[in-house]
Amino acid sequence: NAGVTQTPKFQVLKTGQSMTLQCAQDMNHEYMSWYRQDPGMGLRLIHYSVGAGITDQGEVPNGYNVSRSTTEDFPLRLLSAAPSQTSVYFCASRKQGSTEAFFGQGTRLTVV
Amino acid sequence: GENVEQHPSTLSVQEGDSAVIKCTYSDSASNYFPWYKQELGKGPQLIIDIRSNVGEKKDQRIAVTLNKTAKHFSLHITETQPEDSAVYFCAASTETSGSRLTFGEGTQLTVNP
Repeated sequence: NAGVTQTPKFQVLKTGQSMTLQCAQDMNHEYMSWYRQDPGMGLRLIHYSVGAGITDQGEVPNGYNVSRSTTEDFPLRLLSAAPSQTSVYFCASRKQGSTEAFFGQGTRLTVV
Repeated sequence: GENVEQHPSTLSVQEGDSAVIKCTYSDSASNYFPWYKQELGKGPQLIIDIRSNVGEKKDQRIAVTLNKTAKHFSLHITETQPEDSAVYFCAASTETSGSRLTFGEGTQLTVNP
């Protein structure tokens, strides 16, 4: 059971470039979410989804897009990367009716 | 929205001692409070959680207490071991299902052998 898988693990982008962070879970969880982790600030919610076809904004959504075409996948898109988006990104999933969220191992993104 | 503050930011203890991490929250509607442990290079992992209808919960060497009136909750680790060294995060949610979590800033716990 792979759990929550994030790719890539590391990425360096130039300002203005676009990219997609991938997140896949094989636990048939309905809920998925994206967080960013910055030093001294904990984890902040970017976007979340309660099921296929449904997404909503979290605390810091600006500069990021998401879609949820399948239950398994929840990609996070950066349309025009900025240095302020340098961070570690975590994807999490949770089964409806359960409180435990399972996190991926993270993607460390650097924007230069 | 919800605001969660966590103290201390760093904590160093000797093996066998107890460690206490405290968090306060602002939204009185919050009713679910999980604690996550993050080891180096890994994602956070749930270690214990508590709901607002309970004042204390224990799981072996780990316990969490909740004071709804004062809006604070704490993590207690007894008989600490070197493998307890990690970053610990508290979180709060206004939904019992915990679909939107607000995290504290994290505490780096170091257990010295």
